[in-house]
Amino acid sequence: DTAVSQTPKYLVTQMGNDKSIKCEQNLGHDTMYWYKQDSKKFLKIMFSYNNKELIINETVPNRFSPKSPDKAHLNLHINSLELGDSAVYFCASSQDGLAGGQETQYFGPGTRLLVL
Amino acid sequence: TQLLEQSPQFLSIQEGENLTVYCNSSSVFSSLQWYRQEPGEGPVLLVTVVTGGEVKKLKRLTFQFGDARKDSSLHITAAQPGDTGLYLCAGGLASGYALNFGKGTSLLVTP
Repeated sequence: DTAVSQTPKYLVTQMGNDKSIKCEQNLGHDTMYWYKQDSKKFLKIMFSYNNKELIINETVPNRFSPKSPDKAHLNLHINSLELGDSAVYFCASSQDGLAGGQETQYFGPGTRLLVL
Repeated sequence: TQLLEQSPQFLSIQEGENLTVYCNSSSVFSSLQWYRQEPGEGPVLLVTVVTGGEVKKLKRLTFQFGDARKDSSLHITAAQPGDTGLYLCAGGLASGYALNFGKGTSLLVTP
């Protein structure tokens, strides 16, 4: 039974296109996250939502727009894709999203985005 | 800003050897987590340490949080091929909601 799932797993697209990545968690968690992992494996937070409310919005181009229709889903829409957007995007969730980072974060399997 | 520095970046050892991975910072963290990521998958939590000087053991893995809560280490005894993966440390700041990840240590254990 998958805890955090993402679709698609692979996404190959042309520069300038608009694409979406979907994420769902069945853990009953209140907080969800989007991370970007670059080619050097560096994992960086992009956004976080707690009960559908945005609580973290790191320095990310405004071409990236998260949407949380309910607390079990956090989707990521990317407009006007650029070569530099190629990376692996991970969705994660945690129980409460408390400050201090003591909670376990459960990661999805990742979406490998390649922009040509 | 890169808050956490991990070393070494790459490590290739033979089965049965011991190794230590370091995670250092000039910032004080309220917690420090270690994750392992296998190829094609997301990171999976190994341990969380929250008290300065705390030591936790997970089978052959020993985790330590520095007294000043600025650094941590992961020691693996008698490494096995199944330990191969990317080890990531991640720190939580008292005032922050985000985890700050190190750049990871890629470990390869060969039979």
